[in-house]
Amino acid sequence: DAMVIQNPRYQVTQFGKPVTLSCSQTLNHNVMYWYQQKSSQAPKLLFHYYDKDFNNEADTPDNFQSRRPNTSFCFLDIRSPGLGDAAMYLCATSRGQGGDQPQHFGDGTRLSIL
Amino acid sequence: AQTVTQSQPEMSVQEAETVTLSCTYDTSESNYYLFWYKQPPSRQMILVIRQEAYKQQNATENRFSVNFQKAAKSFSLKISDSQLGDTAMYFCAFGYRGAQKLVFGQGTRLTINP
Repeated sequence: DAMVIQNPRYQVTQFGKPVTLSCSQTLNHNVMYWYQQKSSQAPKLLFHYYDKDFNNEADTPDNFQSRRPNTSFCFLDIRSPGLGDAAMYLCATSRGQGGDQPQHFGDGTRLSIL
Repeated sequence: AQTVTQSQPEMSVQEAETVTLSCTYDTSESNYYLFWYKQPPSRQMILVIRQEAYKQQNATENRFSVNFQKAAKSFSLKISDSQLGDTAMYFCAFGYRGAQKLVFGQGTRLTINP
């Protein structure tokens, strides 16, 4: 089945130690999104790629970076994680860029900071 | 700016009952799309139903249906014959062609009791 896969499901890192979360998709969708979701809250969009074009949300901290080396893969890098970055990180894809497009989500990576 | 409001943070019903989750939105756009997403505990977020604003007919997907009141800017989700597997967070979301992202409501935590 075509899907969005996030690895790992659970990630523990130390305060200030860089961490990378990965996302892959077999849907061949143009757009890939990264969201941060804290407990019982709505997902908060960090950034997204439309093909190779990177779109950063205005309020996304500089600590968060992303890479998309090809259509299938997208990475979220947190350069110096703080305690406030502990959250669920969701990757999603859509066929096109636009608010009319349904998004397909992965299972998420739960990040803990020690 | 678009806003989405879900006024019920939590709801609880008995199995087999019908439940309605409310969602209101505000926009000046005329051609837009509304979504309900379901996020079960520790599982991926999935699209439940999508409504195109220019379509007067309410969308349905099996036991899930919406009551779309465009003039009132209301988009409620009705779940008929509720099942234990319907226990989840439900997010209402808004988007329009030309927007780069969805706007999510705060979510409603729905519990179906046996």
